Amino acid sequence: DIQMTQSPSSLSASVGDRVTIICRASQRISSYLNWYQQKPGKAPKLLIYAASSLQSGVPSRFSGSGSGTDFTLSISSLRPEDFATYYCQQSDSNPLTFGGGTKVEIK
Amino acid sequence: EVQLVQSGAEVKKPGESLKISCKGSGYNFTRSWIGWVRQMPGKGLEWTGIIHPGDSDTRYSSSFQGQVTISADKSITTVYLQLSSLKASDTAMYYCARGHDSTQGPFDAFDIWGQGTMVTVSS
Repeated sequence: DIQMTQSPSSLSASVGDRVTIICRASQRISSYLNWYQQKPGKAPKLLIYAASSLQSGVPSRFSGSGSGTDFTLSISSLRPEDFATYYCQQSDSNPLTFGGGTKVEIK
Repeated sequence: EVQLVQSGAEVKKPGESLKISCKGSGYNFTRSWIGWVRQMPGKGLEWTGIIHPGDSDTRYSSSFQGQVTISADKSITTVYLQLSSLKASDTAMYYCARGHDSTQGPFDAFDIWGQGTMVTVSS
């Protein structure tokens, strides 16, 4: 199985900050990497697919980059509604696997 | 509106079985894969398996093979997740989710999610 490791596991930031979350795959996955946002009590929401493609309706302050084993999710200017947990997910092979999550909290 | 609507919360005893449902609407149901994702309380996301409702082609995670059964009834645009011989450790929220690109195959992002079905197993 491909292991997905996210860092940090949590971070504190202020509204307006730039935030970067890292996801590392245990083997090369090309660009088969997706990012989700999950708020408490809600289903996950797709933000980025294929490493860098913005899902329809997602604000442009979200961006993704990377290929191979190292990927990043960036939020250019954090807004109050962005405080949530973020997960990466590889879609290269069975089983699909998720990172452990990064909780973005208000500083 | 494209949506997946799941059946309601369940409370079961250890050893029992249950089948939860996920009904799709607003899109061509037979063209997109539907997967199931488990989230144990306070924990992360785990992919259990996926089905193509058009031909019932099904893939499972090796971690869940034999523990869950995924099926589909395309006549009523519904996918099911069956859990048997329930244990307390099966207590979790279960989400269904649609594959993002119908041409991508079973391994893809998930763009539409159900609201989740909470399963509680307790004696």
